[in-house]
Amino acid sequence: DTAVSQTPKYLVTQMGNDKSIKCEQNLGHDTMYWYKQDSKKFLKIMFSYNNKELIINETVPNRFSPKSPDKAHLNLHINSLELGDSAVYFCASSPYLAGGVETQYFGPGTRLLVL
Amino acid sequence: KNQVEQSPQSLIILEGKNCTLQCNYTVSPFSNLRWYKQDTGRGPVSLTIMTFSENTKSNGRYTATLDADTKQSSLHITASQLSDSASYICVVSASNDMRFGAGTRLTVKP
Repeated sequence: DTAVSQTPKYLVTQMGNDKSIKCEQNLGHDTMYWYKQDSKKFLKIMFSYNNKELIINETVPNRFSPKSPDKAHLNLHINSLELGDSAVYFCASSPYLAGGVETQYFGPGTRLLVL
Repeated sequence: KNQVEQSPQSLIILEGKNCTLQCNYTVSPFSNLRWYKQDTGRGPVSLTIMTFSENTKSNGRYTATLDADTKQSSLHITASQLSDSASYICVVSASNDMRFGAGTRLTVKP
């Protein structure tokens, strides 16, 4: 009964390809997030969705697009993959937008390697 | 310059010893400060969350302190265990903006 799950766990692909990473949470949370953790271990927020509305979109290339079919899912689509996209991508969820004191719950991460 | 600075970058201690990790921030206006533990190959796990009015919070052997005046926080780990080996990340929130530190990599040796 994993709280936040991501698939796939590992993704190795060629430059220029289009790929998707899926995220699901069974916590009943209203807000979901995508983070990128680079090789220096910095976590940077990419997107957050609250009740299907995008409410944070940092300076992320438009090759990245989040898609939320319902409150429990937030998938990340990446078009025309580049070498610099190689990183670990974490999905997370929280009851509300995490500027308050609600705990965020993170998924196990998807390790993306672009060759 | 990152708005959340953590020190040390890495730390090695012997099992059973105590240690303290530091977090200095410039994020404003301050909303709350979180400490996360991230095991290698896993997602971060929340340890503590503190708001402006709280200056200490404990979670088992983990105790976080917050000085909102000096914009500093510390995470103290008591009687360390091998399973404490991980990265510890400080996250400071302002409204709906979250800023992450680069983390302190702690290694506990037997």
